[in-house]
Amino acid sequence: AQSVTQPDIHITVSEGASLELRCNYSYGATPYLFWYVQSPGQGLQLLLKYFSGDTLVQGIKGFEAEFKRSQSSFNLRKPSVHWSDAAEYFCAVGASGGYSTLTFGKGTMLLVSP
Amino acid sequence: NAGVTQTPKFRILKIGQSMTLQCTQDMNHNYMYWYRQDPGMGLKLIYYSVGAGITDKGEVPNGYNVSRSTTEDFPLRLELAAPSQTSVYFCASSSRVLDRGYEQYFGPGTRLTVT
Repeated sequence: AQSVTQPDIHITVSEGASLELRCNYSYGATPYLFWYVQSPGQGLQLLLKYFSGDTLVQGIKGFEAEFKRSQSSFNLRKPSVHWSDAAEYFCAVGASGGYSTLTFGKGTMLLVSP
Repeated sequence: NAGVTQTPKFRILKIGQSMTLQCTQDMNHNYMYWYRQDPGMGLKLIYYSVGAGITDKGEVPNGYNVSRSTTEDFPLRLELAAPSQTSVYFCASSSRVLDRGYEQYFGPGTRLTVT
């Protein structure tokens, strides 16, 4: 069975600074990997996904993530954070090679300081 | 199109009451899911469906039931509400399109309190 670990429960970043949110997964083969964002009181919105090809994936709102098989990681990055990026971020993994459900991490809450 | 819609947005139930959370999608997706979200715990899968008439249990199915009579609708039933079912419930859907990596689209959620 697959699993996801997001080691940081909360992260505070100054507006304009760079951001990296960590995600480690456990899965025996090449996984499908996703990052979702949830603003307070809202549903989840897909930021980006990886399922094959280029290991550096570009998403919406200026986010990118890099799949590193050797480290079982899929960290989310943004070069310059905006106050509107304050939200909770979830990493998720799904099995490749056929249908499977997604397993979500527990989330990382991003706080942006002025 | 509206995507995934859920009703109600909020609900307060007394212990032992029953209710149905509604979920509808207009994207003609075969796959639909119900999750619950508790603070600091991420999302846990309750039930999912791979098509009309086919449902299966997820990680936390106890206390819930589902049915899938149409492609569009996937209601979640709570028969005897308990305080442990206080949570935010999300419905999601996905298309079985391999090159899209089974991306799931989420509804806005239902916040349920059981007292």
